[in-house]
Amino acid sequence: GAVVSQHPSWVICKSGTSVKIECRSLDFQATTMFWYRQFPKQSLMLMATSNEGSKATYEQGVEKDKFLINHASLTLSTLTVTSAHPEDSSFYICSARDGGTATNEKLFFGSGTQLSVL
Amino acid sequence: GENVEQHPSTLSVQEGDSAVIKCTYSDSASNYFPWYKQELGKRPQLIIDIRSNVGEKKDQRIAVTLNKTAKHFSLHITETQPEDSAVYFCAASNTNSGYSTLTFGKGTMLLVSP
Repeated sequence: GAVVSQHPSWVICKSGTSVKIECRSLDFQATTMFWYRQFPKQSLMLMATSNEGSKATYEQGVEKDKFLINHASLTLSTLTVTSAHPEDSSFYICSARDGGTATNEKLFFGSGTQLSVL
Repeated sequence: GENVEQHPSTLSVQEGDSAVIKCTYSDSASNYFPWYKQELGKRPQLIIDIRSNVGEKKDQRIAVTLNKTAKHFSLHITETQPEDSAVYFCAASNTNSGYSTLTFGKGTMLLVSP
């Protein structure tokens, strides 16, 4: 299947700093990418949907100024957690749909980023 | 919006037994139902999926059934092995609604004991 690369896999930062997470589709063009947040032993909660070349659509309750999403190309989306605080500590994971396939329901996930804010 | 309920939250079985995880969904327009397996600290991996025009799909020890009328679908794992231990998520989406988003169930932690 398609490969989605996510970096970094693990980040520890001080409170107040900003952290950027990258998600790349390696062998396909991802017209749409999704960003999820996952707390320990909980499900994947959709944060936002990003479409290449347009503004991201945020889910209810997710602060768009806090979680900046940029989808500048068909293979790269970034999530920046601005002014991170301890409550932002979580596992962040991206996923992408292969826009080039006829049946493009399948989502391919990145490997996730564990963010710990001290 | 779509709401997906998943049961049980935890499931313990002996190696060789069968395991069944059930999900219900609320949006009758949903037409795509994947199942993901997630090991601790790793990405979810798609293990099987089913579309609304099919009632059952099987892949070796894994099968999924769908009842559109009742709006529920189930994952069946036969001859379970310790390496099947993981968290399993069901999901639902409506692929006809522009860029479709997946709504996930809360997950089932499956533990297979040797």
